[in-house]
Amino acid sequence: EDQVTQSPEALRLQEGESSSLNCSYTVSGLRGLFWYRQDPGKGPEFLFTLYSAGEEKEKERLKATLTKKESFLHITAPKPEDSATYLCAPFYGGATNKLIFGTGTLLAVQP
Amino acid sequence: DVKVTQSSRYLVKRTGEKVFLECVQDMDHENMFWYRQDPGLGLRLIYFSYDVKMKEKGDIPEGYSVSREKKERFSLILESASTNQTSMYLCASSSPGPYEQYFGPGTRLTVT
Repeated sequence: EDQVTQSPEALRLQEGESSSLNCSYTVSGLRGLFWYRQDPGKGPEFLFTLYSAGEEKEKERLKATLTKKESFLHITAPKPEDSATYLCAPFYGGATNKLIFGTGTLLAVQP
Repeated sequence: DVKVTQSSRYLVKRTGEKVFLECVQDMDHENMFWYRQDPGLGLRLIYFSYDVKMKEKGDIPEGYSVSREKKERFSLILESASTNQTSMYLCASSSPGPYEQYFGPGTRLTVT
């Protein structure tokens, strides 16, 4: 059965304290993985797509990496505005583009 | 900018009522999706559509139906709302293939 696990479930950081979020998965026929950010009461906002092991993508203080079994979202010197829930979603391709979402990591960055 | 809009941000309905949730996208995407999101369970796919008048069941279709009469519009229908359908409902759209889905702002539905 395809499964996605994100860890930790919640993470509290001080402003400037770097850390990493993990997304591990068992998905047959994996074609790639998406990362999303979700603010409370809003829809997920697309951050990155990673297609192959070894690939990295960066946006401001965020860097996403991908291996065959897991993905990391590294947050460097976070600010309070980075506080959100971060979701990963492996996809196994095909035209219909179905995704499996993890339950997310709730990140709180304190000033 | 991709824009996905949903008809209501908040909705309160009574048990047994028929409920319509509407989603409109302006990017000419072929694929459209309906999810529900509940604490601890994440996003779960209810139905998706890969073309006008085409639909496929997702992981939790029971109690729901959908309609896609126009490419830009995808409706979720709760035939007879029940309290266990109280949830956040999210619509998304994407191009076919390995492309990201874009989400609407969500509808918080409460069934009393």
